[in-house]
Formats: sequence, structure tokens, C-alpha cells
Amino acid sequence: DTEVTQTPKHLVMGMTNKKSLKCEQHMGHRAMYWYKQKAKKPPELMFVYSYEKLSINESVPSRFSPECPNSSLLNLHLHALQPEDSALYLCASSQFPGTGGGSYNEQFFGPGTRLTVL
Amino acid sequence: GQNIDQPTEMTATEGAIVQINCTYQTSGFNGLFWYQQHAGEAPTFLSYNVLDGLEEKGRFSSFLSRSKGYSYLLLKELQMKDSASYLCAVRGRDGGFKTIFGAGTRLFVKA
Repeated sequence: DTEVTQTPKHLVMGMTNKKSLKCEQHMGHRAMYWYKQKAKKPPELMFVYSYEKLSINESVPSRFSPECPNSSLLNLHLHALQPEDSALYLCASSQFPGTGGGSYNEQFFGPGTRLTVL
Repeated sequence: GQNIDQPTEMTATEGAIVQINCTYQTSGFNGLFWYQQHAGEAPTFLSYNVLDGLEEKGRFSSFLSRSKGYSYLLLKELQMKDSASYLCAVRGRDGGFKTIFGAGTRLFVKA
């Protein structure tokens, strides 16, 4: 299994809703990432989990709350979002988050969840 | 901090060769990636360079010069399906290690 899966594919939510995005990989990767991508812009890193611990939070507003229940799963809990949070949310994983070279640093991306906040 | 520059758009002809340049500034350089992204889809990995030189993989090659903070992606025998955005991403140290993406180069391949 060499893919990262994300659910749902599309999500429409109101500003008062609470929803969660899910990401799963079974490649034994120990680093998982959340990115946000607006149209015609590059992905922007939001969070990095390293060995199931949050290692990087790119000053993301608290209305986004990540969770890593185990080494295969990564969630992003959403609450009280704003319309400007509408974007494609990408999950990625890599074998190791550390300083190793070679293909270990390759990030595999999921297909993304397209989020619309009304 | 980290900074990555690449051209916004390029146009090339089917069957030709195109070179997409990327310049970067970063601390603690730990590798440079090229990703391809078709509109509405997730990025897919093309190449990874951590040492100076040329890495060849089929029709795609990637070059790195760490002393110059410079990389290029070379696409040969262009096909229409190569029309996509090409993202240069650099892994560096800013606190912990993280990967930052450039704005991407939109490549249009015409017949």
C-alpha cells in the first residue's frame, strides 16, 4: 500500500459547525503533515507530526486542531472556521522527519479535501 | 528564514526540451524536491537532490548546486500531459526541519 488516503473529498460547512478531516497511511511512515493550498498558490505547511508528536505548528489559528491518534492516522479538527479558510487541505507523509538523506524525505501526498466554509 | 524563487509561467512545444529554474535561500539545507501538480490534484513527487549534480530519471532530470542555491528541472521530449505546475520545495532548518514550497511554475505545452 503506497498511498495516502483522505476523507472526505469535499466538505461544505458553516462557520458554527464542527467537522474533522481524516488522513491515513499504511506505509509505516513516521512523519505526517497537514498543508493548506489556496487556488493557484503553493501548499503552505500547517502542522508536522513526528513519531506521533506535534513537532511543528506554523502559527496556525486555534480553530484548526490536529490530532495523531496513532502512527497511521492524522486528523484535523475544524471549529468556528471563516470563509477565508476555504481551501484544499492536503495530508502528506514521509518515512522519517529527521535529517536523513535519500528517498526517506520524499513526501507522499493524499488527494486532499476541498473545504468550503459558508 | 527560507525563500524560493521560480518563474511564474513557461510555454514550450510538444517534443521540445524545457528547463525550469529554482533559486533558494535557506539555513541548514537538507534537500530540494521537485513536484508536479496538475490543476485540482495533489502534488506528485518527481525528484530529490541533496548533493550537487544531476539526477536523471527517464524524461526528467534535476540539477542542484548548493553553493549557488540553484536547481533546475529539465523535461525532455515534452508531451501535452506535462502541462502542469512544477513546484520547487526546499527542506531546511528554521527551528525544526521543514519543507517550504516555491510558488510553482505553470508550464503550458503546445502542439
